[in-house]
Amino acid sequence: DGGITQSPKYLFRKEGQNVTLSCEQNLNHDAMYWYRQDPGQGLRLIYYSQIVNDFQKGDIAEGYSVSREKKESFPLTVTSAQKNPTAFYLCASSTTLWETQYFGPGTRLLVL
Amino acid sequence: GQQLNQSPQSMFIQEGEDVSMNCTSSSIFNTWLWYKQDPGEGPVLLIALYKAGELTSNGRLTAQFGITRKDSFLNISASIPSDVGIYFCAGRTQKLVFGQGTRLTINP
Repeated sequence: DGGITQSPKYLFRKEGQNVTLSCEQNLNHDAMYWYRQDPGQGLRLIYYSQIVNDFQKGDIAEGYSVSREKKESFPLTVTSAQKNPTAFYLCASSTTLWETQYFGPGTRLLVL
Repeated sequence: GQQLNQSPQSMFIQEGEDVSMNCTSSSIFNTWLWYKQDPGEGPVLLIALYKAGELTSNGRLTAQFGITRKDSFLNISASIPSDVGIYFCAGRTQKLVFGQGTRLTINP
């Protein structure tokens, strides 16, 4: 089955630690995205990638980094510079940039 | 920047009732999307609209692309308990913009 997978489902971060969230898709989509969702809130765009080896900052990129070395993969690193990382993180992909997006199941990040 | 106003923010209804929600904007969009998010899961695409005036159904769900291209509506008929969740609209021009969501709660 084609789809988007995110791992882990839950992730715990200690103060000052970097953590990386995985996102993989086998839909052959060129574009991939990362969103942050806080309780009771909508989706805020962190980073997006139009194609392999290319990515752009979204609305709230500070404290985050990404890479796009393979078409299937778009990992997100939450760095120690992100002072309020507790949130639900969603990865999405689309055939081309800004076309209809399909979402993964999400990763919930908690700070210890 | 472009913003979507989604209303209502929350709804509390009885099982079997019909539901209506909408998204409005001061900007024109060329695509409208409606998603549903279950607790702790990612949003799932329900309906995609690509043409002004378009009316599309998916089971008990019906969505319309407003004729002005500045709004969209989602209706759910004869609600059932599994309809509970958060419904998001999204509009696309140069990029995809999401509404804040409508939280639907159903009393059995």
